[in-house]
Amino acid sequence: KAGVTQTPRYLIKTRGQQVTLSCSPISGHRSVSWYQQTPGQGLQFLFEYFSETQRNKGNFPGRFSGRQFSNSRSEMNVSTLELGDSALYLCASDRGARNTGELFFGEGSRLTVL
Amino acid sequence: SQQGEEDPQALSIQEGENATMNCSYKTSINNLQWYRQNSGRGLVHLILIRSNEREKHSGRLRVTLDTSKKSSSLLITASRAADTASYFCATDANDYKLSFGAGTTVTVRA
Repeated sequence: KAGVTQTPRYLIKTRGQQVTLSCSPISGHRSVSWYQQTPGQGLQFLFEYFSETQRNKGNFPGRFSGRQFSNSRSEMNVSTLELGDSALYLCASDRGARNTGELFFGEGSRLTVL
Repeated sequence: SQQGEEDPQALSIQEGENATMNCSYKTSINNLQWYRQNSGRGLVHLILIRSNEREKHSGRLRVTLDTSKKSSSLLITASRAADTASYFCATDANDYKLSFGAGTTVTVRA
């Protein structure tokens, strides 16, 4: 069974640009979550989607947005990039039951903003 | 903001020794999970303990949960060089997300 796939793995952008990150969950998983990891703030929850509906959203500015498609694949977008957006962005999937069980993480997309 | 706080921040042990790390959290939870992360990579799930459980074992891992103290501990026995990684506790408060602690960095010396 293929794991969670995130693309691209590495990217470099400049301030003011926007970026789109993609996540393909494990087959059969309907929930996708996104987390931002930085040395200073640790792992911060961005949002969670289930069947194309956002069920929860973290405390991030509106520049951070996401969506989920009917095949459960998800994308997140960050507009008007700032230096502080440099981070490892992790996507995770699970079956989407009522409670959050074991999450399966991808290898992450490392974003550097110059 | 982070739900959990982990202690210690870093731990260095000799191969074969046991490693213990602790996690404290603030709100009521549905379950608590532990994850491992090797340098700059994705997280790997280690073990999940539900709020009505007090102790759980998985191979060389032993997790305890004390909901009255809002704390958990992870014990890794007979450590190996491959156990070198960062370990995170994560709590599920039944709100479709996990709240992660700051992590404990474990170094196992050969």
